[in-house]
Amino acid sequence: GDSVTQMEGPVTLSEEAFLTINCTYTATGYPSLFWYVQYPGEGLQLLLKATKADDKGSNKGFEATYRKETTSFHLEKGSVQVSDSAVYFCALSDPGGSYIPTFGRGTSLIVHP
Amino acid sequence: DAMVIQNPRYQVTQFGKPVTLSCSQTLNHNVMYWYQQKSSQAPKLLFHYYDKDFNNEADTPDNFQSRRPNTSFCFLDIRSPGLGDAAMYLCATSMYRGREQYFGPGTRLTVT
Repeated sequence: GDSVTQMEGPVTLSEEAFLTINCTYTATGYPSLFWYVQYPGEGLQLLLKATKADDKGSNKGFEATYRKETTSFHLEKGSVQVSDSAVYFCALSDPGGSYIPTFGRGTSLIVHP
Repeated sequence: DAMVIQNPRYQVTQFGKPVTLSCSQTLNHNVMYWYQQKSSQAPKLLFHYYDKDFNNEADTPDNFQSRRPNTSFCFLDIRSPGLGDAAMYLCATSMYRGREQYFGPGTRLTVT
């Protein structure tokens, strides 16, 4: 079945540092890929998405590129802020296939001033 | 603003006492999902509705039921809550299956 693997956290950075959170996936079809963010005590929010190979999703300074050849969708941000501290989930679903959402285990990001 | 609303935000129930959580949406999405999320874990899909078509995940306990009386509302019923059912329950919607999801703020369930 489909699966998503994320790097383990927590990731601890100083403000203005560069962020990478790795995400790789396994899927039999042609999934869409997503990053969601969850702040403490809240639901998940869609951060960005990509629906086909080589698409780049971007939002609020975050970006990720759908790499079919390496089955990856790594999240990056050039300069993190304290307010970016949250848990980040990589996810996939296949609109043309099983369509059941599959989430990674989440990566906690802690940004210090 | 279009949104997904969950009520209540916090629910305390007693062991074995039935409880109902509610979700409503103003997005007019076709699909509504219920997830269970325990501390430091990914959300676990319990079931989803595509319009009126109910889809139960294979490992969702029989103790959990759901109703979707119309497009806007969906309910999660826990017939006999156990201590292990204490968790955050998240409702989400999407226009079609496989598309991006929009989540509500969640209901934190405590079982005493």
